[in-house]
Amino acid sequence: DAGITQSPRHKVTETGTPVTLRCHQTENHRYMYWYRQDPGHGLRLIHYSYGVKDTDKGEVSDGYSVSRSKTEDFLLTLESATSSQTSVYFCAISKQGDHYGYTFGSGTRLTVV
Amino acid sequence: DQQVKQNSPSLSVQEGRISILNCDYTNSMFDYFLWYKKYPAEGPTFLISISSIKDKNEDGRFTVFLNKSAKHLSLHIVPSQPGDSAVYFCAPSSGNTGKLIFGQGTTLQVKP
Repeated sequence: DAGITQSPRHKVTETGTPVTLRCHQTENHRYMYWYRQDPGHGLRLIHYSYGVKDTDKGEVSDGYSVSRSKTEDFLLTLESATSSQTSVYFCAISKQGDHYGYTFGSGTRLTVV
Repeated sequence: DQQVKQNSPSLSVQEGRISILNCDYTNSMFDYFLWYKKYPAEGPTFLISISSIKDKNEDGRFTVFLNKSAKHLSLHIVPSQPGDSAVYFCAPSSGNTGKLIFGQGTTLQVKP
């Protein structure tokens, strides 16, 4: 089982509050990704990183920011949570990029009330 | 603009029969196609893949077929088992961008 953990596993927060989700890996993989899963939409890419301090936006990046100060940690921040950000968030890691596939974490279920 | 479509949200088959899951795409630049399987409360896990230079790849009970001219791929599971009940995602790679683009998923239920 690949060394990737997400925290917290579940969180309920109020609209307008900041929220940070953490993804931690022990595989020393270069690439890290944040996806959200919603019914009817599959998995949609929020942000991704191709190295320390190197990040880029995905298809649904509005309202989210990320940081990667260390190889092993990739943080996803919702600056001011909204109900539309209620979702299941998955982190993924990849050694060399897409052709080699991703390894996913177990997910964080976030509810914004 | 959905580049990847899995038009069947769900599929139900009898144990021992064949399951066929379909995926259509629009971007001709996709050159690698992966399938992921997801159980409830778990992250997706890699199942099988195929390069655009091939039209078939087989791994045990799982076979993926690629029809580039039709921009269509399918995953065949033979024989289907109750443990195969899960959500299956088609995920082409977006050229050399380092990103996978996922379809909406198909929920497979295999009945004993």
